[in-house]
Amino acid sequence: DARVTQTPRHKVTEMGQEVTMRCQPILGHNTVFWYRQTMMQGLELLAYFRNRAPLDDSGMPKDRFSAEMPDATLATLKIQPSEPRDSAVYFCASGAQRGQETQYFGPGTRLLVL
Amino acid sequence: DAKTTQPPSMDCAEGRAANLPCNHSTISGNEYVYWYRQIHSQGPQYIIHGLKNNETNEMASLIITEDRKSSTLILPHATLRDTAVYYCIVRDRGTGNQFYFGTGTSLTVIP
Repeated sequence: DARVTQTPRHKVTEMGQEVTMRCQPILGHNTVFWYRQTMMQGLELLAYFRNRAPLDDSGMPKDRFSAEMPDATLATLKIQPSEPRDSAVYFCASGAQRGQETQYFGPGTRLLVL
Repeated sequence: DAKTTQPPSMDCAEGRAANLPCNHSTISGNEYVYWYRQIHSQGPQYIIHGLKNNETNEMASLIITEDRKSSTLILPHATLRDTAVYYCIVRDRGTGNQFYFGTGTSLTVIP
């Protein structure tokens, strides 16, 4: 049963610290998406990649957030420095770009910045 | 992408069919209708999608009106595990890959 995996599942850190979240897309999927979910804003798209190249990161605060795909099996989302307002659940999703694409979501990383 | 309108909440008795409506009156010809759900503390889960014709899979049925301005997701025999927030999304297959989730419908299945 192919699934998107995310680590860590939970992270508590102090303001100013660096946070790195990792995502392993489903094998064979060539698009990867990062979303953030908060009670106030709901699900927001932060960035997405196709064939490891960033296509859109307009939803991401550029000064502190960065997203990369070092290889086809790993996507990372980094926050440096973290702030309390970054507290949220971060979801990764992957999809296969053929025909009408469906996105499959991971379990999320629940981040709390104190 | 077209905006969708869903009721904020619904209840359904266990074992009964749950019918979740969605209005997408500004949908264009290239836009598909997608349904996802999110069970508390989990990632969104794909349910079904369609363009014009009604669709059915092992989870649900999707009924799209002839003018495509609205659709209904049907869970034929709701169980307690179907309690979740259900999102109706319309998306153009040709432009980008973004899903705009909106606020969805919170479905509560009652024993």
